[in-house]
Amino acid sequence: DIQMTQSPSTLSASVGDRVTITCRASQSISDWLAWYQQKPGKAPKLLIYKASTLESGVPSRFSGSESGTEFTLTISSLQPDDFATYYCQQYNTYPTFGRGTKVEVK
Amino acid sequence: QVQLQESGPGLVKPSQTLSLTCTVSGASISDVSSYWSWVRQPAGQGLEWIGRVFATGSTDYNPSLRGRVALSLDTSKSQVSLKLTSVTAADTAVYFCAREAGSGDYGFDSWGQGTLVTVSS
Repeated sequence: DIQMTQSPSTLSASVGDRVTITCRASQSISDWLAWYQQKPGKAPKLLIYKASTLESGVPSRFSGSESGTEFTLTISSLQPDDFATYYCQQYNTYPTFGRGTKVEVK
Repeated sequence: QVQLQESGPGLVKPSQTLSLTCTVSGASISDVSSYWSWVRQPAGQGLEWIGRVFATGSTDYNPSLRGRVALSLDTSKSQVSLKLTSVTAADTAVYFCAREAGSGDYGFDSWGQGTLVTVSS
């Protein structure tokens, strides 16, 4: 199966900060990568699919990029509603997820 | 707007079968461009894909669970069902149903709220 290595596991940041989360795939997945936001007690919410396509209704401060097997989620200016856990997920083969990045208040 | 709602027993005894149902509204489970998955999440841990069922009824499973899991559709009730046999404490988790739209091109775009299943005697 394809392993997704996500880093960091925890990130401390302040409102207004630029935040970057990285996921590396164990093999090529083309651009079959999605990013999700999850808040405690809630289901994940799709933010980005196909590595860089913003899901409808998601604020434009979220963006995704790829370079080979490395994928990045960027929040350009962190807002209070963005403190949450973020997961990457590949869907080149059967879906697998990264272990998550918790974005917490610094 | 697509809505998914999981239901089923919250407590299952070890070695028994876990059975959950996901009721879908706002979309047709017969739509061949939609795939219907189950994903689970143990408390404080990450997400694990269990498997998916296609509108044709064919299925795809996580190799780590193959042999214990079965997914099916009931189009008359707009429901997706999960059965997981021979459960142990390791199967204790919140179970989500989710949709992959666009023939799987768009990731999981709709999710149920999740239901907690505890495996304990």
